[in-house]
Amino acid sequence: AQSVTQLGSHVSVSEGALVLLRCNYSSSVPPYLFWYVQYPNQGLQLLLKYTTGATLVKGINGFEAEFKKSETSFHLTKPSAHMSDAAEYFCAVNTGRRALTFGSGTRLQVQP
Amino acid sequence: EAGVAQSPRYKIIEKRQSVAFWCNPISGHATLYWYQQILGQGPKLLIQFQNNGVVDDSQLPKDRFSAERLKGVDSTLKIQPAKLEDSAVYLCASSSALGGAGTDTQYFGPGTRLTVL
Repeated sequence: AQSVTQLGSHVSVSEGALVLLRCNYSSSVPPYLFWYVQYPNQGLQLLLKYTTGATLVKGINGFEAEFKKSETSFHLTKPSAHMSDAAEYFCAVNTGRRALTFGSGTRLQVQP
Repeated sequence: EAGVAQSPRYKIIEKRQSVAFWCNPISGHATLYWYQQILGQGPKLLIQFQNNGVVDDSQLPKDRFSAERLKGVDSTLKIQPAKLEDSAVYLCASSSALGGAGTDTQYFGPGTRLTVL
């Protein structure tokens, strides 16, 4: 069985500050890990994914995430928040040829 | 390249009525997914198709939900009769890999927001 826990349903940062969104997963086999972003009234858009190889993954819009097997974590970071980053972010896991299992999401607010 | 198309974007119905949603995946994508996203939660899989065959429908409430993917292209999800707890956004996604490989990126449509009164 696979599952995802996102710590913090709401995160608020100031513009220019570091963004850190937390994700922990549970999986009995090596996981594939994803971060998606959802803007209001839109579908989900892939930010980045980890499959194999380098554990630090860079994605779109300046986001990156690091796969830490020992901590079962895949936290999402961005050095400097922009107003346009305000959205809902979902971490997801897949361990095979099936659909994604999503976390409950973290809503990011960016204060001017 | 056109993205995943869904219609309608919004639907309001009374409980016990029926409703249908349509999805057209990205051209050439073999695998199609329907997810249900309840407010404040992450999307949850309802059904997964590979071409026109069902791969996983274990979380589909089969007493009221049905889905089909005729000819392995577009798909329809139906609810009959609807309950209040079916109020949610229904997302369609597609991926290119045959068998829906775990590494494959899923592309999502804009969703259909259903409100059941």
